[in-house]
Amino acid sequence: IAGITQAPTSQILAAGRRMTLRCTQDMRHNAMYWYRQDLGLGLRLIHYSNTAGTTGKGEVPDGYSVSRANTDDFPLTLASAVPSQTSVYFCASSAGTGGRETQYFGPGTRLLVL
Amino acid sequence: RKEVEQDPGPFNVPEGATVAFNCTYSNSASQSFFWYRQDCRKEPKLLMSVYSSGNEDGRFTAQLNRASQYISLLIRDSKLSDSATYLCVVNSENAGNMLTFGGGTRLMVKP
Repeated sequence: IAGITQAPTSQILAAGRRMTLRCTQDMRHNAMYWYRQDLGLGLRLIHYSNTAGTTGKGEVPDGYSVSRANTDDFPLTLASAVPSQTSVYFCASSAGTGGRETQYFGPGTRLLVL
Repeated sequence: RKEVEQDPGPFNVPEGATVAFNCTYSNSASQSFFWYRQDCRKEPKLLMSVYSSGNEDGRFTAQLNRASQYISLLIRDSKLSDSATYLCVVNSENAGNMLTFGGGTRLMVKP
């Protein structure tokens, strides 16, 4: 069982370029999430999806977009990358959206925007 | 003020020591509480949920104080393998059941 996979593992990107971070889960979880983790700030929610076909904005959505065409995939797109988007990006999923649901995280994508 | 606050540490302790971390949260409507563990350059993983009556899992004990809005994690008989960052996590129904993460407390257990 792979759980959640993310690609790429790391990336160096020129400012202004478009980039899509991929996330796939094989647990048939309904809910998926994208977080960024920055030193001293902890994990912050970018976007989420409670079920296929729906998405919502998290705490820091500006500059990012997502789609949820099916249950398994939840790509995150940076339309025009800026240096402040340098971060570690984690995708996560949970079976449901109830208050006690455990979120399972992917291994992360380390992104450097120059 | 951050919604979930933790002392970033690091806490440097010898093997076998008992160490405690505290975490405070600002949203009084918070319903669910968790501790996640994150190893260096790895993803966070659930360590344990925190229940109102307190709960224990082996060497780990979690406590919740709703009146004071803080959560604690106690680790007894520390092992080298306990070295990691411990994230305090809060779920609030009035925030769409989204998880809010603290910045984490780093623990280093020395031989």
